[in-house]
Amino acid sequence: DIVMTQSPDSLAVSLGERATINCKSSQSVLYSSNNKNYLAWYQQKPGQPPKLLIYWASTRESGVPDRFSGSGSGTDFTLTISSLQPEDFATYYCQQSYSTPRTFGQGTKVEIK
Amino acid sequence: QVQLVQSGAEVKKPGASVKVSCKASGYTFTSYDINWVRQATGQGLEWMGWMNPNSGNTGYAQKFQGRVTMTRNTSISTAYMELSSLRSEDTAVYYCARASVNLGYWGQGTLVTVSS
Repeated sequence: DIVMTQSPDSLAVSLGERATINCKSSQSVLYSSNNKNYLAWYQQKPGQPPKLLIYWASTRESGVPDRFSGSGSGTDFTLTISSLQPEDFATYYCQQSYSTPRTFGQGTKVEIK
Repeated sequence: QVQLVQSGAEVKKPGASVKVSCKASGYTFTSYDINWVRQATGQGLEWMGWMNPNSGNTGYAQKFQGRVTMTRNTSISTAYMELSSLRSEDTAVYYCARASVNLGYWGQGTLVTVSS
């Protein structure tokens, strides 16, 4: 199984500041035939299902604000929120869809500083 | 619009089984896999398995092999996840999600509580 490890586990950020979350996979999730990384980012707020933010490591889902960006390739990935808004305080998960089981990272909770 | 509507909360005794449904609308049910993901209270997301509604083919995470069964009824665009031999550690919210390269649409979640 591919193990997904996020860092940090939690992050305290002030409104308007940048937040950076890292995700590392135990093996590459880059599919060589199409040069795409099978890595997605989700946001989850209490009492709600997760919401897709980013797929293929860097493609924003329709309707997701452009302050959210994803980067990285192979085994190392980053989700950046450029200027935190009140609605961004939530838990964020990475997930690989390169192979089954489609494993998630343990989550990173973004809290108000 | 795409919607996945799950069945209501369940309370089960240890050793029992639970069957959660996930009714899809707003798209062709047989065109996308359905994945099931669970989340214990205060914990992270745990992927359980997938089902192809067209073929009925399934794949389960090793942890759930032998205890989970994913099925579908295409006539009513509904997917099912049945988990047997329940134990207290299975208490969680269970989600279905429409799968392509990502999980773009999720059900609202079904709380399953296992308690004697």
